[in-house]
Amino acid sequence: AQSVTQLGSHVSVSEGALVLLRCNYSSSVPPYLFWYVQYPNQGLQLLLKYTSAATLVKGINGFEAEFKKSETSFHLTKPSAHMSDAAEYFCAVSDQETSGSRLTFGEGTQLTVNP
Amino acid sequence: EAQVTQNPRYLITVTGKKLTVTCSQNMNHEYMSWYRQDPGLGLRQIYYSMNVEVTDKGDVPEGYKVSRKEKRNFPLILESPSPNQTSLYFCASSSTPGAGANVLTFGAGSRLTVL
Repeated sequence: AQSVTQLGSHVSVSEGALVLLRCNYSSSVPPYLFWYVQYPNQGLQLLLKYTSAATLVKGINGFEAEFKKSETSFHLTKPSAHMSDAAEYFCAVSDQETSGSRLTFGEGTQLTVNP
Repeated sequence: EAQVTQNPRYLITVTGKKLTVTCSQNMNHEYMSWYRQDPGLGLRQIYYSMNVEVTDKGDVPEGYKVSRKEKRNFPLILESPSPNQTSLYFCASSSTPGAGANVLTFGAGSRLTVL
């Protein structure tokens, strides 16, 4: 079974500050890992994904995430927050062996960016 | 434009009154899935479909039905809605069933309230 834990349901940063959203996963087989973003009144859209090609993954809008197997983590970062980054962020895990595309989501982290 | 379309976007109904939330995608995707989003719980999978006439239960299937008679459509049916089915529902699709790295395209969501 696989699972995802996002530490912190709400994160607040100042505009221009570092954004760090934490995600830890549990998987018995090598995982695929994703970060999705949900803007108000919209569906989720992909920010970035890890598929074992490189441990540091760059996504859209200046976000990146690093896969750390020893820590079972896939934290999302952005060097400088922008007001438009305010949204809810979801970490998700799938695995490389299960057929059926079972994607398991974390609880979500609401990011607030203060001027 | 490639998209997943859900209808209705907002619905208020009463306990026991059957309803259907439609989902249609124009990307010729084989895989489709329904999720519900609840505060603090993230997204939980209700049902998914690997292809036409192939459906399977997700993590929270109780009280829901689905059908996949055509590749583009995947309606979610609540035969006898109850208040605990009040939630935000998302339909999603992807092109590659069985591959854990596939990226989901989400609809904009359907907010359902059951009184």
